[in-house]
Amino acid sequence: AQTVTQSQPEMSVQEAETVTLSCTYDTSENNYYLFWYKQPPSRQMILVIRQEAYKQQNATENRFSVNFQKAAKSFSLKISDSQLGDTAMYFCAFMKRNAGNMLTFGGGTRLMVKP
Amino acid sequence: EADIYQTPRYLVIGTGKKITLECSQTMGHDKMYWYQQDPGMELHLIHYSYGVNSTEKGDLSSESTVSRIRTEHFPLTLESARPSHTSQYLCASSIRRGGTDTQYFGPGTRLTVL
Repeated sequence: AQTVTQSQPEMSVQEAETVTLSCTYDTSENNYYLFWYKQPPSRQMILVIRQEAYKQQNATENRFSVNFQKAAKSFSLKISDSQLGDTAMYFCAFMKRNAGNMLTFGGGTRLMVKP
Repeated sequence: EADIYQTPRYLVIGTGKKITLECSQTMGHDKMYWYQQDPGMELHLIHYSYGVNSTEKGDLSSESTVSRIRTEHFPLTLESARPSHTSQYLCASSIRRGGTDTQYFGPGTRLTVL
């Protein structure tokens, strides 16, 4: 079974600064996907970024980028130029490839962006 | 945001009542999922479906049941609600694109059983 660990229950960052959220996972699989989801207060969960494990290049989406270290089983999310709208719960998730599309979620990190 | 809808958004109900949480998606996705999420906690998969007439139980045991008679509709039913069922229920659907299945979530139903 896979496990996903987010070691930072809460974080805060000043507006316009950069913050990194950590995520580690444990698996014996070689082919899998990793995701970061954002859940704003009382709003819908949305996909932030995803990474295929077979790709060495780190995924980026505008101000969001990941640092994927496959050997270390680490998948951190960097948010650059933080905005007030980035305030949310962030969940790291793991999906084994060709295994029914099941997502295993971490416990989440609550990020507060301060003005 | 994806076209996936859940109703009601909030429900407060007494013990012993039968309830159905609705989930619909207009994207034609084959796969649909139900997750249970306690406040500030991670999501746990309770049911999933690969398509019409397909339903499976997830990792977390749940007293709820689901049905998938139409592709776009995946309702969850509790025959007799109890306070232990108080939680947020998130519906999701997914489709494979570029070799990756990405799940899209609905807004959730926050259920309180008194």
